Amino acid sequence: AQSVSQHNHHVILSEAASLELGCNYSYGGTVNLFWYVQYPGQHLQLLLKYFSGDPLVKGIKGFEAEFIKSKFSFNLRKPSVQWSDTAEYFCAVSYSSASKIIFGSGTRLSIRP
Amino acid sequence: EPEVTQTPSHQVTQMGQEVILRCVPISNHLYFYWYRQILGQKVEFLVSFYNNEISEKSEIFDDQFSVERPDGSNFTLKIRSTKLEDSAMYFCASSEQGGTNTGELFFGEGSRLTVL
Repeated sequence: AQSVSQHNHHVILSEAASLELGCNYSYGGTVNLFWYVQYPGQHLQLLLKYFSGDPLVKGIKGFEAEFIKSKFSFNLRKPSVQWSDTAEYFCAVSYSSASKIIFGSGTRLSIRP
Repeated sequence: EPEVTQTPSHQVTQMGQEVILRCVPISNHLYFYWYRQILGQKVEFLVSFYNNEISEKSEIFDDQFSVERPDGSNFTLKIRSTKLEDSAMYFCASSEQGGTNTGELFFGEGSRLTVL
C-alpha cells in the first residue's frame, strides 16, 4: 500500500542544534516528494519539494532535504534551528499512479530557547 | 499572493445535521482536494476533484460526504448527517498539476468542525 512513515513523533532540540527528521515512503514507482510545515494555529505551508533532478533540494528558511532513491527516504535537515522553527512537520508523497498527496503522521518539533 | 480561502473558520453543529464547508481555490488551478485532520492526528486525504468529477476518494469519504463545484469559483464539501467522529479540521487545497503528476498543493487555513 502507498504510505509515508515519519519515525520521530516528537523531537526536542535546543536553539542552534542541527536537525534531521526522517521520512520513508513505500515503493510505488515514480514519486514527487514534499515537506510541509504547520506552525501553531496555522495552515500547512510548503517547505520544499522534489520532482526530479538534483536529489538535494533546498527550501525556505534554511531547510533542505535529500532524496535517496535506494532507501526510499526523503529526510529533512537544517544545520542550526531557531526557536521560530517550533512547528509540526509533515512529509508527503504523490505517486504517479494516484491523484493525491499522502501525508505522514507528522513530527512535532519543539525548540528550547 | 493568491491563496485558497475557506469558510467558515469554525462551525459547531449537532449530530445528525448537514454541514457544508466552502472553499475558493486559487483561480487558475484545476485540481481540488479536501483533507481532514482530527486533533492531534495525521492529515488524511478525503477526495480529489478534477474536471467536475471525483478523481479519487478515500475510505473515509463514504456516502455521507459529497463534493461539488456549483459555480466557477467555489468548491464545497457536504456532510449529510454529521457524526461525533466527523469533528476535525477540514483543509481544502488546490494545485496546478494533478492526476498522475500531482504537484504542490496550496492549502487553505482550514474549517474547524465541532459536532456535539
